[in-house]
Amino acid sequence: QVQLVQSGAEVKKPGASVKVSCKASGYTFTGYYIYWVRQAPGQGLEWMGRINPNSGGTSYAQKFQDRVTMTRDTSISTAYMELSRLRSDDTAVYYCARDKGDVYNWNDYWGQGTLVTVSS
Amino acid sequence: DIQMTQSPSSLSASVGDRLTITCRASQSISNYLNWYQQKPGKAPKLLIYAASNLRSGVPSRFSGSGSGTDFTLTISSLQAEDFATYYCQQSYSTPFTFGPGTKVDIK
Repeated sequence: QVQLVQSGAEVKKPGASVKVSCKASGYTFTGYYIYWVRQAPGQGLEWMGRINPNSGGTSYAQKFQDRVTMTRDTSISTAYMELSRLRSDDTAVYYCARDKGDVYNWNDYWGQGTLVTVSS
Repeated sequence: DIQMTQSPSSLSASVGDRLTITCRASQSISNYLNWYQQKPGKAPKLLIYAASNLRSGVPSRFSGSGSGTDFTLTISSLQAEDFATYYCQQSYSTPFTFGPGTKVDIK
């Protein structure tokens, strides 16, 4: 069965970086985009960007363009999202999700989420 | 970026009620519209894709409609497990923005 399993919760200080992993199983990793979406406490969903695991090509929301890096390691079917220069308002649950990436795009499977807390 | 709005932002309903949630895009997005359900502490779940297509395994009481800028999610007969927050999302152009959500709770 399709699964996306994310790394555990992180606590970081302002100005630091965090790298969250998303390990895929149950499907061909290179056949689906991986998206990253975050949700601040009590808030809605925010689209951060996506990576094509086959090519490594990325698309980032402008808001995160200068601070986010999405990568992948196809040998272990894992995608990564690194966010740098963390601020307190980056405290959120970060989700990965997959998308076939055809004419239409939707996220049919999601990871369990990773809580990143930014606090001094 | 395309802005998405939803109405209402929250509502109280009873089991068996018929529910309609509206989503509006700031520009035409054809039918590039998805609906997700999220329960507290859980990841979102896909309900509807491409505006009106029910994801396999999702109960048929859920339906979606609309095109252009105006869309609706309808729950024909609300069940206890449907109390949750619902988000629309446009997938017409990146960033694939979400609406602010509609929280459905028990009356």
